[in-house]
Amino acid sequence: QKEVEQDPGPLSVPEGAIVSLNCTYSNSAFQYFMWYRQYSRKGPELLMYTYSSGNKEDGRFTAQVDKSSKYISLFIRDSQPSDSATYLCAMIGIQGAQKLVFGQGTRLTINP
Amino acid sequence: DSGVTQTPKHLITATGQRVTLRCSPRSGDLSVYWYQQSLDQGLQFLIHYYNGEERAKGNILERFSAQQFPDLHSELNLSSLELGDSALYFCASSAPGANSGANVLTFGAGSRLTVL
Repeated sequence: QKEVEQDPGPLSVPEGAIVSLNCTYSNSAFQYFMWYRQYSRKGPELLMYTYSSGNKEDGRFTAQVDKSSKYISLFIRDSQPSDSATYLCAMIGIQGAQKLVFGQGTRLTINP
Repeated sequence: DSGVTQTPKHLITATGQRVTLRCSPRSGDLSVYWYQQSLDQGLQFLIHYYNGEERAKGNILERFSAQQFPDLHSELNLSSLELGDSALYFCASSAPGANSGANVLTFGAGSRLTVL
């Protein structure tokens, strides 16, 4: 079983829709949770990160972490064609643990 | 431009050959990480260097090796290449403080390796 599971999609939605992207994980030691966005032929770029459980909002993006369920989500409101990319969740454990573990990535397409 | 520079962008070679991928981290970053991205495995952590010292190893094959030089650039050496080594290889760097729990990585654009 992988430490982090993420549905690879692909996911295709119309412009303006609310998008929900999710990851589950098995390692209860994970403390920091991140979402990276990767455009085609580019490296991943950090979109959001949160520490422990709770919500974090940044513009049209909201990250949620539920440590009791080992489940994290990224919501995109009012989705735009420019949001079309692969979204990767990532997480890391105790301080000093260097290994950031990524999900497989979900390929998202926003249709105009 | 993320500030992390990787060369070459594309590389085509034959099985059994050896290649070297190069990475220059963002100015001021002391940590360099190497990741392999393939369609079926996703982004896999290979190795982490901090200020010239190896700090962590992931799923790195014995045929692969890396080092970080005094000027902080890093090289990933891939030898006895196999078809299955075809992938995108990413380098990432992070700010000083190798033990930072947040571990925010800045990625380069990657080196696409094709082994024929």
